[in-house]
Amino acid sequence: GQQVMQIPQYQHVQEGEDFTTYCNSSTTLSNIQWYKQRPGGHPVFLIQLVKSGEVKKQKRLTFQFGEAKKNSSLHITATQTTDVGTYFCAGGSNSGYSTLTFGKGTMLLVSP
Amino acid sequence: AAGVIQSPRHLIKEKRETATLKCYPIPRHDTVYWYQQGPGQDPQFLISFYEKMQSDKGSIPDRFSAQQFSDYHSELNMSSLELGDSALYFCASSLSDTQYFGPGTRLTVL
Repeated sequence: GQQVMQIPQYQHVQEGEDFTTYCNSSTTLSNIQWYKQRPGGHPVFLIQLVKSGEVKKQKRLTFQFGEAKKNSSLHITATQTTDVGTYFCAGGSNSGYSTLTFGKGTMLLVSP
Repeated sequence: AAGVIQSPRHLIKEKRETATLKCYPIPRHDTVYWYQQGPGQDPQFLISFYEKMQSDKGSIPDRFSAQQFSDYHSELNMSSLELGDSALYFCASSLSDTQYFGPGTRLTVL
């Protein structure tokens, strides 16, 4: 079955430093979605990428979808303490179903 | 904006008991998904429904069943509960590919 690998598992940065998490799928994806989950909270939808090579920005967050639609990255510029949480990528398959396969997530800790 | 509603938010059960979790999707969303998330884990897909029919099945144990009703709300029925069923159970709803998660039900099995 489809597998989505995500690295790193955990990253601790100083406020103001940059952060990147990477996702890699074993199969070509129809789309990839990114979610943020704060401690004790639920996954909150951030963005969806559909096109090969797509790049989208949300303020300090930059999302990329690889040309082969098998990998993706989320880059945060100048992290803030409010960025703390676990970032999950979730890949959609080409099976016709809208089921998502989640990566293991990257837990981000930001020290002031 | 209306969000996904889940009830109860917390549930404590004993081994071998049954539990029913409820999910009310965002209005006009036609698809509901159920996920199980253990501590420090990613959400694991259990089952989904589109227009009241099961659309996809993931790692849902045979002891669990679910359905979607005519008003689009969904219920996850869990029987013969085991200690390992203790987890956060999320429901998500969608109209297209994007899934919006509810606040979750924290199930503790003692």
